[in-house]
Amino acid sequence: NAGVMQNPRHLVRRRGQEARLRCSPMKGHSHVYWYRQLPEEGLKFMVYLQKENIIDESGMPKERFSAEFPKEGPSILRIQQVVRGDSAAYFCASSPSRRDQPQHFGDGTRLSIL
Amino acid sequence: AQTVTQSQPEMSVQEAETVTLSCTYDTSENNYYLFWYKQPPSRQMILVIRQEAYKQQNATENRFSVNFQKAAKSFSLKISDSQLGDTAMYFCAFMSGGSQGNLIFGKGTKLSVKP
Repeated sequence: NAGVMQNPRHLVRRRGQEARLRCSPMKGHSHVYWYRQLPEEGLKFMVYLQKENIIDESGMPKERFSAEFPKEGPSILRIQQVVRGDSAAYFCASSPSRRDQPQHFGDGTRLSIL
Repeated sequence: AQTVTQSQPEMSVQEAETVTLSCTYDTSENNYYLFWYKQPPSRQMILVIRQEAYKQQNATENRFSVNFQKAAKSFSLKISDSQLGDTAMYFCAFMSGGSQGNLIFGKGTKLSVKP
């Protein structure tokens, strides 16, 4: 059983470019959560999606950030016009249902902005 | 809003000894879940243990156990017979029973197990 797959593992972008982070949930999981971890900090919730629906995006910055989870394919976290402050580790977690724990985490994508 | 506080930024323990990591949280809810996650240097997030607030019995998983004090809003993690592989960041996390399932994390405790 494959776990939650995130790619790329490391992503380097220059200021102003776009970053696309991908997350394939565990088989049978239809709920996806994205978290951001700044250096020396805990994880902060960003967005919760089910297939084709954004359920809760209360943790997402209002500008430049978007997320989707299409019917087919992985969930995508997209950051437009990246800035230095976007440098962080971005984690994806999945679960079969919102109350069926544990949430299984991927290994994260480390985003570095030059 | 719910908050999670881990007051020990760093701790160390000798191999084979026992260590307790502290966590307190703030909520007005009665139905919620609490978790401890481990993040080793590889940066994976690994679930260590989970506790449902409605259960009075403290959760245990092998060498890991919790002391859940609901009235005090305290959720400490005890690691017995510490092993070198336990060296990691440990995060306490809260999930509201009425939420969409998102986790609220503390800032973490860096645990070093010394040989």
